[in-house]
Formats: sequence, C-alpha cells, structure tokens
Amino acid sequence: DTGVSQNPRHKITKRGQNVTFRCDPISEHNRLYWYRQTLGQGPEFLTYFQNEAQLEKSRLLSDRFSAERPKGSFSTLEIQRTEQGDSAMYLCASSRKQGAGNTEAFFGQGTRLTVV
Amino acid sequence: EDQVTQSPEALRLQEGESSSLNCSYTVSGLRGLFWYRQDPGKGPEFLFTLYSAGEEKEKERLKATLTKKESFLHITAPKPEDSATYLCAVQVSWGDDKIIFGKGTRLHILP
Repeated sequence: DTGVSQNPRHKITKRGQNVTFRCDPISEHNRLYWYRQTLGQGPEFLTYFQNEAQLEKSRLLSDRFSAERPKGSFSTLEIQRTEQGDSAMYLCASSRKQGAGNTEAFFGQGTRLTVV
Repeated sequence: EDQVTQSPEALRLQEGESSSLNCSYTVSGLRGLFWYRQDPGKGPEFLFTLYSAGEEKEKERLKATLTKKESFLHITAPKPEDSATYLCAVQVSWGDDKIIFGKGTRLHILP
C-alpha cells in the first residue's frame, strides 16, 4: 500500500503526559502537512514541511507542539504536557510540489487523541 | 485573512433528490481549490482539484464547478452511500502553499 500511513490510530493519555505521533507520507511526495480536527469542524492547519524544512507553523499552535521531519521522509508530531483541549483527530497529508505549484494532498486515516 | 466558508452546514435529501453544496472563499491568491469526502472516523478522501474559473470536473454522481469567488459541488440523483461530510479546501497564493479548509457540509441521503 502506498498511501499515507499514521501511527498509532488511537491514543489515550493522561493530562500532563507527552505524546508523539508518526506519519509516513507517500514515498515520492516532498510536502507533508499536519492538521488537527475536532468534531463538526474542518481540518485546522498546524504546520507543513517541504522535504526536511518546516516552512510554516500556525500562529495558533502552542509551544507545547513540535514537529520534525529529519530526513525528509517520515514526520513526527509531539505534544508536551497534554491538556484536555488537545483531544482531537490529528491528520497528516502529503503532496508533491510540482513547479511553482502543488499536486493535491492525500490524507492518512488520522490519529485520534483522547486526553483524560 | 484567508477564509473558506461552506454552506449549508448540514443537508438531508431523499434518495434521488439532486442538490448543490456551496464553498465560498476569500483568499489573497487562489492556487487551487480541492473537494474532499470524509466518512466518520476516517481521513478525508480526495475528490477533485479545480484551478481556474469556469473549470468543471465530474466523477460518478458528483460535479464540481468553480467561479472567481465560489465553488459548487453538484450531486445528481444521490444514493445513501453518498452520505458523508464534504470538505472544500483552497491552496492560497503561489508563495505560501498552505492549504486551508472550510468546516464542511454534512450530507445525509435518506433511502
């Protein structure tokens, strides 16, 4: 299967703990996006990478959130000192930069985080 | 500020009853507009990309159209399996390739 893969699919954690999610994009895609989605809302942009470079980070994103893509392949999203408000679906998507533009982004199945 | 607004928030149709979903956008520069379908508990599934006003794309019972300020997703003779949330997203400008989403339209087709 060459789709976007996210792990784990579900994560339950206690408030104050740190969590890390992993995303493996489609192999030939150089762009990778992270989004957060809560019930009844559309995906909210968090950050994105081109290869290993983090190009933009949402100003709404707390300093407790950090993302990496060390070798331009898989990416990790870490949340430190989790809060109940962090409970959401975390979605990863990848696309291929083509010339001055982009191909469409393809999404993984998401990681559902529940903070208790 | 770049913004994507979808309407209606929710729509219930009888099987076979055609309708349209709206996506209006206010962005600094449109690079592309995307439609996705999302089923509960799953990631969005790509449907269409539209790049310029006047463009149309079709897939089975769905047709997407684009004007300078909005896009429509037309659904013809829908079936219960078309029930899902339909998301509109735009890629803004040429320098900033961020993709931003609307809140979606929850579509429910009654048999």
